[in-house]
Amino acid sequence: AQSVTQLDSHVSVSEGTPVLLRCNYSSSYSPSLFWYVQHPNKGLQLLLKYTSAATLVKGINGFEAEFKKSETSFHLTKPSAHMSDAAEYFCVVSLDSNYQLIWGAGTKLIIKP
Amino acid sequence: DSGVTQTPKHLITATGQRVTLRCSPRSGDLSVYWYQQSLDQGLQFLIQYYNGEERAKGNILERFSAQQFPDLHSELNLSSLELGDSALYFCASSVVWGGGYEQFFGPGTRLTVL
Repeated sequence: AQSVTQLDSHVSVSEGTPVLLRCNYSSSYSPSLFWYVQHPNKGLQLLLKYTSAATLVKGINGFEAEFKKSETSFHLTKPSAHMSDAAEYFCVVSLDSNYQLIWGAGTKLIIKP
Repeated sequence: DSGVTQTPKHLITATGQRVTLRCSPRSGDLSVYWYQQSLDQGLQFLIQYYNGEERAKGNILERFSAQQFPDLHSELNLSSLELGDSALYFCASSVVWGGGYEQFFGPGTRLTVL
């Protein structure tokens, strides 16, 4: 069965330091994987997606994620955090059978000044 | 602005009541999804429609129902409301129903059940 696990419910970093949000998935076949972001009191927005092309995927606002099949991971990174990055981030995997999306529980990113 | 609109923005009602949430997808999108986001349950997928037909069901209660109309707008009906139904309800749309396609989210309807 397909599933997605975000390993940290909260991540706190200082402004200007690197960001790492971890996501592991379980899928029988090559999955489609997404990261969505939700800023406070806002709707969700796609950050980036992986659909079996390049394993390193670049997204908006300087974020990128690397698909590692051997580790079944799709971690989200950014070299230097900005205050505006404070938000909740969701890792999402597409189900093989009917393309339903399975959502992770979310990781709240806190940026310290 | 994602192009997905949801009305109303806020809704306050009492237990036992029935409400209808409305969603208009982006122009050209055929698929509509409904999600519930609450503090204790996180983001939960409820149901998906594609071109008027139900395609997938998630954690949707029997008290809840939805439909997609010929003009592709969708409505989510919540009945016999309970305090625990208080949540943010999001609608999203995508071009087709395939998993590799981005979903565009509306701003949400905040439902408060008193």
